[in-house]
Amino acid sequence: EDQVTQSPEALRLQEGESSSLNCSYTVSGLRGLFWYRQDPGKGPEFLFTLYSAGEEKEKERLKATLTKKESFLHITAPKPEDSATYLCAPMNTGFQKLVFGTGTRLLVSP
Amino acid sequence: NAGVMQNPRHLVRRRGQEARLRCSPMKGHSHVYWYRQLPEEGLKFMVYLQKENIIDESGMPKERFSAEFPKEGPSILRIQQVVRGDSAAYFCASSPPQATDTQYFGPGTRLTVL
Repeated sequence: EDQVTQSPEALRLQEGESSSLNCSYTVSGLRGLFWYRQDPGKGPEFLFTLYSAGEEKEKERLKATLTKKESFLHITAPKPEDSATYLCAPMNTGFQKLVFGTGTRLLVSP
Repeated sequence: NAGVMQNPRHLVRRRGQEARLRCSPMKGHSHVYWYRQLPEEGLKFMVYLQKENIIDESGMPKERFSAEFPKEGPSILRIQQVVRGDSAAYFCASSPPQATDTQYFGPGTRLTVL
């Protein structure tokens, strides 16, 4: 069965304090690894898709990386507006469904 | 280009009533997915539909839940005889026919069963 574990569950940072979020996954065959951001009371907002180990993608202060077992979301010099829950979700090659972790709740204080 | 639209945004039902949740995909998208987010839990896949076809319903509860995506109009998730355990946020996502991997989510419908 496909499984996803995200850590830490919650992370509190000062503005400008860089850090990384971890996503460990187990799937029989990886079609893609997706990162989303979710604000309270809203739907997930698409950030990145990674398809193969070694791939990296960047968007503003965020950079996502992928290995065969894990993905990392690096946040460089975060701002308060980066506060949200970050979700990762692998997709199995045999299916079209996303398997979500429970997310990392990020709070960035000014 | 409008995003995925869901209505109603909030729905309150009493136990035993029916709930109908609607989802209009992004323009040009022909694939629709439904996910459920229970309090303090991650999003769980329910069903994947294309126009007039259910492709994967492996995450749908066996009873009381059904979904459709007709040739014309929005996708509908229907829950009959709701129970308190059905209280959750229900999210719809859509993807275009030429790039079926990336799913774009709507704002969700928050169902409360009294």
